[in-house]
Amino acid sequence: EVQLVESGGGLVKPGESLRLSCAASGFIFNTFSMNWVRQVPGKGLEWVSSISSSSAYIYYADSMKGRFTVSRDNTKNLVYLQMNSLRGDDTAVYYCARGRAAAGEYFQYWGRGTLVTVSS
Amino acid sequence: DIQMTQSPSILSASVGDRVTITCRASQSISSWLAWYQQKPGQAPKVLIYKASSLESGVPSRFSGSGSGTEFTLTISSLQPDDFAIYYCQQYKRYWTFGQGTKVKIK
Repeated sequence: EVQLVESGGGLVKPGESLRLSCAASGFIFNTFSMNWVRQVPGKGLEWVSSISSSSAYIYYADSMKGRFTVSRDNTKNLVYLQMNSLRGDDTAVYYCARGRAAAGEYFQYWGRGTLVTVSS
Repeated sequence: DIQMTQSPSILSASVGDRVTITCRASQSISSWLAWYQQKPGQAPKVLIYKASSLESGVPSRFSGSGSGTEFTLTISSLQPDDFAIYYCQQYKRYWTFGQGTKVKIK
């Protein structure tokens, strides 16, 4: 069974940093892309970042470029989202999602999400 | 950037109704479109991929159609479990979600 478990969320002040982790199990991790999607409570879904199976291809939404960094450790089945210079509008539930293939494609499996709150 | 626009934003329907949700892309995305269902407090779940392919385990009352810039998600006979928010997503160039359509009880 595919499982994705996010961790690392919490309350931080504007300008601070946070690193989210996503632990994957139940599939061959190094053959699938991994993605981050966020959702402001009560609002819609916003794609954040994607990383291909070998980390060769990395993409970010424009509003996250330069502040967020995605990475993965295929030896530990983990994907990370390093978030710097956090702002109030980064407050959201952050979901980790597995792609259907090594790169590109839709998001086939999702974790339950971790809440990030940015507030002074 | 490719923008995705869903309509309607809210849809009121009864159990047994046939329901159709529309998603329009700002430029052609061929068939690189997925539909997701999200219930309160849960992560999204994929229903349809490549515009019309049913994800494994998804009931056959869900179907998708379209290509290019206009797509539809149809629920042939709405069930109590189907009251939720539905999102389209393009994956032709990066990834973009529509704003969502809430299907509520009439």
